[in-house]
Amino acid sequence: QAQLVESGGGVVQPGKSLRLSCAGSGFLFRSYGIHWVRQAPGKGLEWVAVISYDGTKEFYGDSVKGRFTVSRDNSNATAYLQMNSLRHDDTARYFCANSDTFWGWMESWGQGTLVTVS
Amino acid sequence: QSAPTQPPSVSGTPGQTVSISCSGSNSDIGSNTVDWYQQLPGMAPRLLIYKNDQRPSGVPDRFSASKSGTSASLAVRGLQYEDEADYYCAAWDDSLPGRVVFGGGTRVTVL
Repeated sequence: QAQLVESGGGVVQPGKSLRLSCAGSGFLFRSYGIHWVRQAPGKGLEWVAVISYDGTKEFYGDSVKGRFTVSRDNSNATAYLQMNSLRHDDTARYFCANSDTFWGWMESWGQGTLVTVS
Repeated sequence: QSAPTQPPSVSGTPGQTVSISCSGSNSDIGSNTVDWYQQLPGMAPRLLIYKNDQRPSGVPDRFSASKSGTSASLAVRGLQYEDEADYYCAAWDDSLPGRVVFGGGTRVTVL
């Protein structure tokens, strides 16, 4: 059973940085792409970014491009979302999800970690 | 970044069939497969349908989906109280390389 666990959320001031982690287990982490998706309080899902299984490809949503960076450490089965220049509208719960094909669906999801910019 | 359009809410009584539409564009739904996600209250999303009409193991066959052109739809047959949740369609978007778009979401209420 695939499991993804996000961590690193918290309260941060506008303009500051935060790094989220996504630890994977129960599946071959190094073979899966990892997506980041966020959900502002009371709002819908917004796709944030994706990184390929080997870290060679990464793409970002318009609202975070140039501020957020995804990376991964396959030796530790962990992906990261580095968030810089945080704004109030980045306040959301951030989920990671895995995908066994880069251009495919988000198969398993973590429970998310809450980021509050205030 | 335009998103596929979903109705904000649909409702039905137990046993009924409800349908949720997802209207996109040539660059997203028109060019790529559609996935559907279910989010129960207070929970993380979970994959419900992938590649337009495929159900992952464990998803009841009461859930079905289809795609035609730039639109997709999800049907829930034999509605149950446990189906009360938010449902999102999603697709890759070819208008900019490597971007996924989610629909705005539809709240299903079981009356």
